[in-house]
Amino acid sequence: TQLLEQSPQFLSIQEGENLTVYCNSSSVFSSLQWYRQEPGEGPVLLVTVVTGGEVKKLKRLTFQFGDARKDSSLHITAAQPGDTGLYLCAGLSNTNAGKSTFGDGTTLTVKP
Amino acid sequence: DTAVSQTPKYLVTQMGNDKSIKCEQNLGHDTMYWYKQDSKKFLKIMFSYNNKELIINETVPNRFSPKSPDKAHLNLHINSLELGDSAVYFCASSQGWENTEAFFGQGTRLTVV
Repeated sequence: TQLLEQSPQFLSIQEGENLTVYCNSSSVFSSLQWYRQEPGEGPVLLVTVVTGGEVKKLKRLTFQFGDARKDSSLHITAAQPGDTGLYLCAGLSNTNAGKSTFGDGTTLTVKP
Repeated sequence: DTAVSQTPKYLVTQMGNDKSIKCEQNLGHDTMYWYKQDSKKFLKIMFSYNNKELIINETVPNRFSPKSPDKAHLNLHINSLELGDSAVYFCASSQGWENTEAFFGQGTRLTVV
């Protein structure tokens, strides 16, 4: 079973602070995705990273895929209350096409 | 204009009942999924269909039976509901399954009492 562990599980910060969320596994993934989920809604894709070592930026969000394609990080610069939500990483299987394994989530609260 | 819509949004039912959740996508995608999100927000895939054909069937009790009448619909029927079935169930769709974006519905919060 491929497992993805996210840390921290909960994060509460003030507006303007920076933060990093980690997504770790002992398994290799063909690609990794980050989603954000707001209360009462389904997850919405933020980014897909495919190549080991790849870095993608989405405004104040920076995503990195580990060189060995086993881990990823999400860095948010100058967090805003609108960033509040549940962040989920999801690894797409290297061997079982079509199966996404989701991490256990990081709940971020950004206080104004 | 909702891309992936599921009904109902809330479902409260008694143990032992049989219930269905419906899902429809208007994105023209060929792959649809059912996920279960537990109280700790852990999201786990249950089933995946590609062009109406079952391609992923995780270790799910056989009380859960997905039905895909066409590419745009994937319904979930649950027999003999148990307390442990209480969760939020998400339907999703994608175009293909490799490195593609999955679009999720708003979820169905199932409460078994």
